[in-house]
Amino acid sequence: GQNIDQPTEMTATEGAIVQINCTYQTSGFNGLFWYQQHAGEAPTFLSYNVLDGLEEKGRFSSFLSRSKGYSYLLLKELQMKDSASYLCAVSDYKLSFGAGTTVTVRA
Amino acid sequence: DVKVTQSSRYLVKRTGEKVFLECVQDMDHENMFWYRQDPGLGLRLIYFSYDVKMKEKGDIPEGYSVSREKKERFSLILESASTNQTSMYLCASSLRDRGLEGEKLFFGSGTQLSVL
Repeated sequence: GQNIDQPTEMTATEGAIVQINCTYQTSGFNGLFWYQQHAGEAPTFLSYNVLDGLEEKGRFSSFLSRSKGYSYLLLKELQMKDSASYLCAVSDYKLSFGAGTTVTVRA
Repeated sequence: DVKVTQSSRYLVKRTGEKVFLECVQDMDHENMFWYRQDPGLGLRLIYFSYDVKMKEKGDIPEGYSVSREKKERFSLILESASTNQTSMYLCASSLRDRGLEGEKLFFGSGTQLSVL
């Protein structure tokens, strides 16, 4: 089975940086995903890591360390529209999700 | 853009009723999934399907069944609805490929089911 942990809530100021950590213990590993979900909407794909290291995509970056069972999602230059839940998901040929981290961006 | 459409946004049913949740995708994806999402628990996989007429149990299949008679349509069935099945139900689809493209899920907007 999969055990995926991430913080429940985080708050940050517009323009700041926030780092959302995700730790996992899984029976298999085929990649780690981050999804964004705005309130009342469907989750949408943000990033994918299968090898160790940092993947950068504009204001968002995701890091993976397979030996440590650890990932983080880094959100830079925060904007109000980044207020959402961020879901960490680990693939063992089917995705298992963490409970999600709700990020609130304040002006 | 991939579109995954769920038939109802909100649904209210009574205990013991048989409930059908419908999901249709328009991108010819082989894989389809049903999740439920509850506060503090995240998304949990109920059932998935890799092909027409094929189904696999996920992590919490008890009390549910599924049907996939056509590639684009995946139905979730609650045989006898109970109050603990009150939840947000999310359908998703993906390609068959290994790696990113095969595991990148496209989600529907969800059905909020209340069982009274």
